[in-house]
Amino acid sequence: ETGVTQTPRHLVMGMTNKKSLKCEQHLGHNAMYWYKQSAKKPLELMFVYSLEERVENNSVPSRFSPECPNSSHLFLHLHTLQPEDSALYLCASSQGLAQNTEAFFGQGTRLTVV
Amino acid sequence: RKEVEQDPGPFNVPEGATVAFNCTYSNSASQSFFWYRQDCRKEPKLLMSVYSSGNEDGRFTAQLNRASQYISLLIRDSKLSDSATYLCVVKGQVGSSNAGKLIFGQGTTLQVKP
Repeated sequence: ETGVTQTPRHLVMGMTNKKSLKCEQHLGHNAMYWYKQSAKKPLELMFVYSLEERVENNSVPSRFSPECPNSSHLFLHLHTLQPEDSALYLCASSQGLAQNTEAFFGQGTRLTVV
Repeated sequence: RKEVEQDPGPFNVPEGATVAFNCTYSNSASQSFFWYRQDCRKEPKLLMSVYSSGNEDGRFTAQLNRASQYISLLIRDSKLSDSATYLCVVKGQVGSSNAGKLIFGQGTTLQVKP
């Protein structure tokens, strides 16, 4: 099975709630990613961390706040979300950012904002 | 223009058919290319990397045309279990604006029918 684990698998939250998504990888990788997948749209890259430093913030609204305390863990803190933020949030990891290194994905958190 | 473009399909083919998908990318600095497969409500999984010389893995053949900036995937002798969405992915060259970023196409849906 996948070496990238995401929790929770499903989350329903109100617009005033604060919640966090968790991702853990057991592959010894040093780069981690957050992607958003909405219906009928390509995966959108949100954040990239390499060696626990954020190297990409793809114009993501501040209501999404990532945290990478170590190379194995990645969090996405959520607050005051909007209904259009409902989507599948996928975490991935890879062995660095170099060419030819593929990413391995977690099973995702399906988020519904009500 | 989208960075990675694919025909979303769906492609409906009978078992045993040969089917080909194409993908074009806009950033000539892209250096690595992949095909991922995503089953309904599941995470994307690497199908195969795409090498400059072309590569084959069983019934699957991937080819890259750098001059025209397109990638193809050929599936021979289609099986029912091949039904999925196939995602074209490009990765930027280290040092470029897309360094380390995996950029996904919208995906092409394949439905193999008995």
